[in-house]
Amino acid sequence: KAGVTQTPRYLIKTRGQQVTLSCSPISGHRSVSWYQQTPGQGLQFLFEYFSETQRNKGNFPGRFSGRQFSNSRSEMNVSTLELGDSALYLCASSVDREATEAFFGQGTRLTVV
Amino acid sequence: GQSLEQPSEVTAVEGAIVQINCTYQTSGFYGLSWYQQHDGGAPTFLSYNALDGLEETGRFSSFLSRSDSYGYLLLQELQMKDSASYFCAVRGGVGGKLIFGQGTELSVKP
Repeated sequence: KAGVTQTPRYLIKTRGQQVTLSCSPISGHRSVSWYQQTPGQGLQFLFEYFSETQRNKGNFPGRFSGRQFSNSRSEMNVSTLELGDSALYLCASSVDREATEAFFGQGTRLTVV
Repeated sequence: GQSLEQPSEVTAVEGAIVQINCTYQTSGFYGLSWYQQHDGGAPTFLSYNALDGLEETGRFSSFLSRSDSYGYLLLQELQMKDSASYFCAVRGGVGGKLIFGQGTELSVKP
């Protein structure tokens, strides 16, 4: 069974640009959550999608958005990039919203210069 | 809202036992989880406690006290490969989102 796939693995963008990250969950998993990880800050919750609907949102500005498609694949978008957006973005998939275990992808390392 | 507190770093020697504590604040508690993350890797699931008590999985055990909003991860017979960051996470709040603590960096010395 394939794991969670995130693309691309690495990205370098310039301030002011926008970026789209992709996450393909494990087959059969319908819940996808996104996290931002920076040194010393742990994993900060961005949002959760289930059945193509955003079910939860973290405390991030509106520049951060996402969506989920009918095949459960998810994308997140960050517009007007800032230097502080440099981070590892992790996607986690679960069977459903109350699953006890979440499976993480390897993440996308975003560097904003 | 939800918040979790855990020590930022712990050091122990090979073969020893180490305990990583986690206290949390949340409404609508579903359960407490633990994840391990090696440098450059993805977090991987270790254990989950929904009810009070101890859950044992090999060398790792996890404990939960819901009345104290407290849990811990116990690692026995430490090995060098256990050097990693360990995160506690709580599923709770409105909508049952999974929120993580800031992580505890465990260094195992020979």
